[in-house]
Amino acid sequence: DTAVSQTPKYLVTQMGNDKSIKCEQNLGHDTMYWYKQDSKKFLKIMFSYNNKELIINETVPNRFSPKSPDKAHLNLHINSLELGDSAVYFCASSQEGGVRTEAFFGQGTRLTVV
Amino acid sequence: KQEVTQIPAALSVPEGENLVLNCSFTDSAIYNLQWFRQDPGKGLTSLLLIQSSQREQTSGRLNASLDKSSGRSTLYIAASQPGDSATYLCAARDDKIIFGKGTRLHILP
Repeated sequence: DTAVSQTPKYLVTQMGNDKSIKCEQNLGHDTMYWYKQDSKKFLKIMFSYNNKELIINETVPNRFSPKSPDKAHLNLHINSLELGDSAVYFCASSQEGGVRTEAFFGQGTRLTVV
Repeated sequence: KQEVTQIPAALSVPEGENLVLNCSFTDSAIYNLQWFRQDPGKGLTSLLLIQSSQREQTSGRLNASLDKSSGRSTLYIAASQPGDSATYLCAARDDKIIFGKGTRLHILP
């Protein structure tokens, strides 16, 4: 039973298109994240949501809009895709209230913009 | 602003050797530190989590230590095996989870 699941796993799309990536966690965690892993494999935080509220927005272009319909889901919508958006996007979750637990990551979504 | 550094960036060792991966962080006010493993083209697998009040954690052949005051953590791998080849990432958590750039480990058969 997958703890953090993302869909799709692969996404190839043309410049200018709009696309969404979905993420769900079944761990009961209160916090979810989106990370971007660039071509040099560096993982950088983009957004963090706690109980559906945006907590962290790391100066990501406003073409990226996260949405959290409930605390188990955090989706990422990207408008007007650019070549530089090509990367692997990881969703993660953890518990922030009380003792902070380990973070669990999804398997990633490899986005290729052509 | 928290910065996490991992040394070395890459490491190749013969099978069977013990090895140490290093991680340092600039702000000691962390809640915990987590070590991950990433295989090529795959996601992140959590290896060990050390809470700020702890000094070390062990899981099988892996042992992670944490010295918060000096801003350092080490991951010790005993009796390395070819299957240990992967990129190892450390992540320090304050109000965010900040990653180092990883150590690419290659175990030579």
